[in-house]
Amino acid sequence: KNQVEQSPQSLIILEGKNCTLQCNYTVSPFSNLRWYKQDTGRGPVSLTIMTFSENTKSNGRYTATLDADTKQSSLHITASQLSDSASYICVVSDRGSTLGRLYFGRGTQLTVWP
Amino acid sequence: EADIYQTPRYLVIGTGKKITLECSQTMGHDKMYWYQQDPGMELHLIHYSYGVNSTEKGDLSSESTVSRIRTEHFPLTLESARPSHTSQYLCASSESSGSTDTQYFGPGTRLTVL
Repeated sequence: KNQVEQSPQSLIILEGKNCTLQCNYTVSPFSNLRWYKQDTGRGPVSLTIMTFSENTKSNGRYTATLDADTKQSSLHITASQLSDSASYICVVSDRGSTLGRLYFGRGTQLTVWP
Repeated sequence: EADIYQTPRYLVIGTGKKITLECSQTMGHDKMYWYQQDPGMELHLIHYSYGVNSTEKGDLSSESTVSRIRTEHFPLTLESARPSHTSQYLCASSESSGSTDTQYFGPGTRLTVL
């Protein structure tokens, strides 16, 4: 069964600290993996996208890694800011259909305290 | 910032009412999607469209219907709302550029059925 599991479910850190969010997936065949940021009451916004051949991708203070062999990804946030408080969603796309079926994780709820 | 809009942002209605959730995008994207998301849960695809006059049901069974008469417009209709329809509804769109096309999400409509 194709699944995307994220950990931790929630995380609280102090402003300025770093953190790492985890994503494990069983989706096959694999096409790409995205990390989205979803602010409360808003739609998700894409942070990074990685295909099979890419193992790291950065977007400012966000760095995503991908290990396609172990089917694991992580999102590292450096020097956290209050505005980083949001849900971070891991989304994996398969190659099994023209649509490129997306499998969503439940997200990690990050809270940054001052 | 993605040019995709949803109205209303919040809606509280009584059981049995007919409602239409609006979604419009100005990016000229062919593909559009409707997702349902409950708090702390993953997004579930309920409808999608490849283009004008094309609509398909998603993975999650839904009593809602959609139409795609114009490229930019993808409304979702519930003929008779019930409390079980209470949820957040997210609209998204993407270009038809292969398997790595990023979905751009609207801000969502939070629906409460009393």
